[in-house]
Amino acid sequence: GENVEQHPSTLSVQEGDSAVIKCTYSDSASNYFPWYKQELGKRPQLIIDIRSNVGEKKDQRIAVTLNKTAKHFSLHITETQPEDSAVYFCAASIFGGSQGNLIFGKGTKLSVKP
Amino acid sequence: KAGVTQTPRYLIKTRGQQVTLSCSPISGHRSVSWYQQTPGQGLQFLFEYFSETQRNKGNFPGRFSGRQFSNSRSEMNVSTLELGDSALYLCASSLSGGFGEKLFFGSGTQLSVL
Repeated sequence: GENVEQHPSTLSVQEGDSAVIKCTYSDSASNYFPWYKQELGKRPQLIIDIRSNVGEKKDQRIAVTLNKTAKHFSLHITETQPEDSAVYFCAASIFGGSQGNLIFGKGTKLSVKP
Repeated sequence: KAGVTQTPRYLIKTRGQQVTLSCSPISGHRSVSWYQQTPGQGLQFLFEYFSETQRNKGNFPGRFSGRQFSNSRSEMNVSTLELGDSALYLCASSLSGGFGEKLFFGSGTQLSVL
């Protein structure tokens, strides 16, 4: 089955710096890659997603890139702010499956220091 | 519009007991997925229900089961509890669980097994 590896597990940056989180997936048929943000004590929330027919997607300070050949995708956060501090999860969906069986990475705890 | 509601928020059980968790999806959502979240392991997919049928299942033992009712509410049951079952159990709903649909998570049920 699909396996998603996420790195790093923890990331600390200074406010204003950029942060990059990388994920690799094993199933070349995976075609949907969302990113979820979970603030401390809160529920995960979708922040951005990308489909396999797109190489890059941007939404204000966050962007996601996808390299299908290498089977990896990355989350980029620019001009980080303290409120970006959270755990970020990448995920991949198994081809032909429903959204309900998203396979998640183990998460990256991002700390933004003021 | 009310969000995804999970009850109870906290549960304390002892080994060998069984437990039932409840999830009420957003009105109109027919797909409900369940995830187990533990520190360092991220979100692990348990199963997904759509129209009262289990459509997808993750790699968990048969002690973990679920069901969905005609109003889309879902329950998850864990029998013969083990210490390792201690975790945050999250459910998520979406319209039909289709490709690219956004998942909306509940706040979770924190299960502690003593």
